[in-house]
Amino acid sequence: DSGVTQTPKHLITATGQRVTLRCSPRSGDLSVYWYQQSLDQGLQFLIQYYNGEERAKGNILERFSAQQFPDLHSELNLSSLELGDSALYFCASSARGDTETQYFGPGTRLLVL
Amino acid sequence: GQNIDQPTEMTATEGAIVQINCTYQTSGFNGLFWYQQHAGEAPTFLSYNVLDGLEEKGRFSSFLSRSKGYSYLLLKELQMKDSASYLCAVTSFYNQGGKLIFGQGTELSVKP
Repeated sequence: DSGVTQTPKHLITATGQRVTLRCSPRSGDLSVYWYQQSLDQGLQFLIQYYNGEERAKGNILERFSAQQFPDLHSELNLSSLELGDSALYFCASSARGDTETQYFGPGTRLLVL
Repeated sequence: GQNIDQPTEMTATEGAIVQINCTYQTSGFNGLFWYQQHAGEAPTFLSYNVLDGLEEKGRFSSFLSRSKGYSYLLLKELQMKDSASYLCAVTSFYNQGGKLIFGQGTELSVKP
């Protein structure tokens, strides 16, 4: 158990819908990262927050957005969902948001039908 | 840009030793991580190398050569539970923050 929690574990929805994925970092960690893992793409970095502020952005679609709240939990919002958005979404956390070990949560498996 | 290559699949026998290679091309290299991921589960941290040489941690060791853009993960005394995907990831000091760029992963099957 890494100490990072994610909800829900599974999500099934339809195309065009919007969903919110939630992540709570390890106690004491200030930085949260979101990654997407699909079969053909491997693990892809989406976005990073540090202490409530966006720090780095990857190839995150405009339909996707995220935020980190004052209590340091983070939410990833996915809208206008497409079939290709079906994937495992992982959240990871680290202490300082720098080059250091990231600890991954159990992931949310999203299936868009 | 950043590019990471790993073999897609490997097979080894229980009790044996296996070496999983990773080659990378990245500007401003600032460290290489190895993670283990069982199917459908979270990646778990195995090792971190930023200087050349070998880091040993129990049955697992990781080696780095920055001049060659090369790393390997060595697994000794293989056990069935070592069957998993092994992910190589690099960071760059040109990237703000500590984002990891992952390779596609090497699927290791350990046979009895």
